[in-house]
Amino acid sequence: EVQLVESGGGLVQPGGSLRLSCAASGFTFSSYWMSWVRQAPGKGLEWVANIKQDGSEKYYVDSVKGRFTISRDSAKNSLYLQMNSLRAEDTAVYYCAREVRVAGTFFDYWGQGTLVTVSS
Amino acid sequence: SYELTQPPSVSVSPGQTASITCSGDKLGEKYACWYQQKAGQSPVLVIYQDNKRPSGIPERFSGSNSGNTATLTISGTQAMDEADYYCQAWDSSTYVFGTGTKVTVL
Repeated sequence: EVQLVESGGGLVQPGGSLRLSCAASGFTFSSYWMSWVRQAPGKGLEWVANIKQDGSEKYYVDSVKGRFTISRDSAKNSLYLQMNSLRAEDTAVYYCAREVRVAGTFFDYWGQGTLVTVSS
Repeated sequence: SYELTQPPSVSVSPGQTASITCSGDKLGEKYACWYQQKAGQSPVLVIYQDNKRPSGIPERFSGSNSGNTATLTISGTQAMDEADYYCQAWDSSTYVFGTGTKVTVL
């Protein structure tokens, strides 16, 4: 059974940092692109960043470029999101999601999410 | 940047058909997929590649995509289908989500 379990969320002050983790199991982690998707309270879904199987390619939404860094460790079957210079508008539930890269790229599995609150 | 627009809400009576649209420039030339998100839960893929259903998704969920509009259709809607629905497409190496539609089963 595919499982994605996020952790690391919490309350942080504006300008602070946080590192999210996503533990993957039930599939060959090193064979898949992985993404982080967020959802602000009461709002829609927003893709944040993704990373290729070997970590050689990474992409970010413009609003987090230069502040967030996505990484992965295939030995630990884990995905990470280092978030620096956090802003109030980064407050959201952050989901880890597995990508399916065929014609029509999409997410077939999602974690339960971890809440990040940026507030003083 | 590419945008996908959905109606904010759709209401449907139990047993009737609900149709949710997703509009974007030349969306029919891309593949669309749909996610269902029930209150307090993570999104679940219900349609991919315009009209394919993942294993475990009921047959009452179907999809189409042509021109500038993708459509998710729920036939014989049940109370358990009440949720938010998001379309999604892939454009210029980024994922784009629709604005979301709240489906209410009255």
